[in-house]
Amino acid sequence: QKEVEQNSGPLSVPEGAIASLNCTYSDRGSQSFFWYRQYSGKSPELIMSIYSNGDKEDGRFTAQLNKASQYVSLLIRDSQPSDSATYLCAVNPQAARQLTFGSGTQLTVLP
Amino acid sequence: EPEVTQTPSHQVTQMGQEVILRCVPISNHLYFYWYRQILGQKVEFLVSFYNNEISEKSEIFDDQFSVERPDGSNFTLKIRSTKLEDSAMYFCASLGGGNTGELFFGEGSRLTVL
Repeated sequence: QKEVEQNSGPLSVPEGAIASLNCTYSDRGSQSFFWYRQYSGKSPELIMSIYSNGDKEDGRFTAQLNKASQYVSLLIRDSQPSDSATYLCAVNPQAARQLTFGSGTQLTVLP
Repeated sequence: EPEVTQTPSHQVTQMGQEVILRCVPISNHLYFYWYRQILGQKVEFLVSFYNNEISEKSEIFDDQFSVERPDGSNFTLKIRSTKLEDSAMYFCASLGGGNTGELFFGEGSRLTVL
């Protein structure tokens, strides 16, 4: 069973702070990693993808991947109340064209 | 910007009835998916579809479920003899080009089985 694990939270940070979200995965052959944002009652929205070890930055978001540790994270700088949502880690298992999702981390940014 | 569209946005049905959920994927995408999210739980893969046939399916996708692409645009999920536990959000997604693995989701169809 290929698993993706996330701390369910809730995680609360003050406005302007850095939010750090973490994810581990079990399939060592996984090649592609994604962070989705999901507002309550809405569909997942892709915010970051990462494919190689290291950091990838896009605006206020930085994704970090460490394949040796089977760990992927998302940093949100200068957090805003509009960032309050559930963040889903998704992994593309080896030899598959579908994504396995974690249970999500609920983030609340306090004004 | 192209998007995945789903209908209906919400369907209420009686237990034992059949429902069909419809999706129009992004036009130049080749892989299509159905995912399910029971309230408060994780997004779960049901099935993927490529070249007019099922590519992969999960243990959830049993004989109660079927998918088809009846024409060049629509992609449907049929749920036969619905059960209470089928109540969930059903998301259609399509796979972007370039082999990046990025899935783009529709807004979802909420199914309520009474």
